[in-house]
Amino acid sequence: QKEVEQNSGPLSVPEGAIASLNCTYSDRGSQSFFWYRQYSGKSPELIMFIYSNGDKEDGRFTAQLNKASQYVSLLIRDSQPSDSATYLCAVPGGSARQLTFGSGTQLTVLP
Amino acid sequence: DVKVTQSSRYLVKRTGEKVFLECVQDMDHENMFWYRQDPGLGLRLIYFSYDVKMKEKGDIPEGYSVSREKKERFSLILESASTNQTSMYLCASRVGGTETQYFGPGTRLLVL
Repeated sequence: QKEVEQNSGPLSVPEGAIASLNCTYSDRGSQSFFWYRQYSGKSPELIMFIYSNGDKEDGRFTAQLNKASQYVSLLIRDSQPSDSATYLCAVPGGSARQLTFGSGTQLTVLP
Repeated sequence: DVKVTQSSRYLVKRTGEKVFLECVQDMDHENMFWYRQDPGLGLRLIYFSYDVKMKEKGDIPEGYSVSREKKERFSLILESASTNQTSMYLCASRVGGTETQYFGPGTRLLVL
């Protein structure tokens, strides 16, 4: 089983809708979770991270963490075409707490 | 703002050539990482470095080596490039003891 799993998509939503991106992880001891956005041909950029169960909001983005279910999600409210990108979920692990990434979910926001 | 730069955005090399990919960060970060990213396989860690002259193998170190002689610079070396090393190479850095990584712009390498 992969350590971090994401639905690869593609996921399409209309402009203005809520986009919901999901990630499951296998290590029950994981404490922190990261969401990166990657535009085509570009490098990943950090959107937000979450440590505690529940929701964390930052502008139009909300991360939701459920440690019991080993599930973390990213909601994008009022989706814009500029949100079209691949979204990567990442979990620290290993001896150096290096990030293990999911394969990413490709999101397209249709105008 | 954290700034991580990579020496080339695009690179074309021949099979068997020795290839150097350079990464520089300007935030005095202790830890630096090299990943490769391939369609369907995601980001995979090649090597990382805790500090100057310190390095550790990641998940896919075969065919690669690294060098960190100065804190701000982390080099990835392909000793003898092969076509299966055609990929997007991403460098990242972070403050020691933290988990948030910041990425450079990436180098897209094509080995012919």
